[in-house]
Amino acid sequence: GAVVSQHPSRVICKSGTSVKIECRSLDFQATTMFWYRQFPKQSLMLMATSNEGSKATYEQGVEKDKFLINHASLTLSTLTVTSAHPEDSSFYICSASSSTSPYEQYFGPGTRLTVT
Amino acid sequence: GENVEQHPSTLSVQEGDSAVIKCTYSDSASNYFPWYKQELGKGPQLIIDIRSNVGEKKDQRIAVTLNKTAKHFSLHITETQPEDSAVYFCAAGDYKLSFGAGTTVTVRA
Repeated sequence: GAVVSQHPSRVICKSGTSVKIECRSLDFQATTMFWYRQFPKQSLMLMATSNEGSKATYEQGVEKDKFLINHASLTLSTLTVTSAHPEDSSFYICSASSSTSPYEQYFGPGTRLTVT
Repeated sequence: GENVEQHPSTLSVQEGDSAVIKCTYSDSASNYFPWYKQELGKGPQLIIDIRSNVGEKKDQRIAVTLNKTAKHFSLHITETQPEDSAVYFCAAGDYKLSFGAGTTVTVRA
């Protein structure tokens, strides 16, 4: 149980374009989803928290107009990186928790974004 | 906000030996302390967690201890195996987590 998937696993896009990453909870209802960013050999940095049906809460320093988060259902959240630049290249990881276990976060496999 | 420090940053152990990773946190309101294992190119995997009303928890070769007074918690892996080689992260918080910097564990065969 507690499986989270992400799609795509890898994506390469050109500078100035937008890319969407999907995060799905496969066998539970994710009342809260989290989006993290991880640079090589570094820790996970929380970007934003989203609750189903409401606007995401962004961490300090994260541009909400650049990183658009939608959590339209209890099993799906999306992160759209708008007007991507090479410095946005990173490993993006989502996690999800349920109302029955609000503290336990289950992570997806991550999406490697490369902006050329 | 919460600040989590993790030591050591790298740890090399002989197969069969024990590995210990230590973390400290700053926010006394934190009451959930999970540990994650991350293999190269993959997402973190929850391996064990502990809540603030418990001092110790064990699951087969893995154990975690928590000292709320001192604000530190530790991960203990006994009888290490090559497949234990990975990066381990501690975290602290509640529904929202702050992560340590990670420990790269290498188990030498």
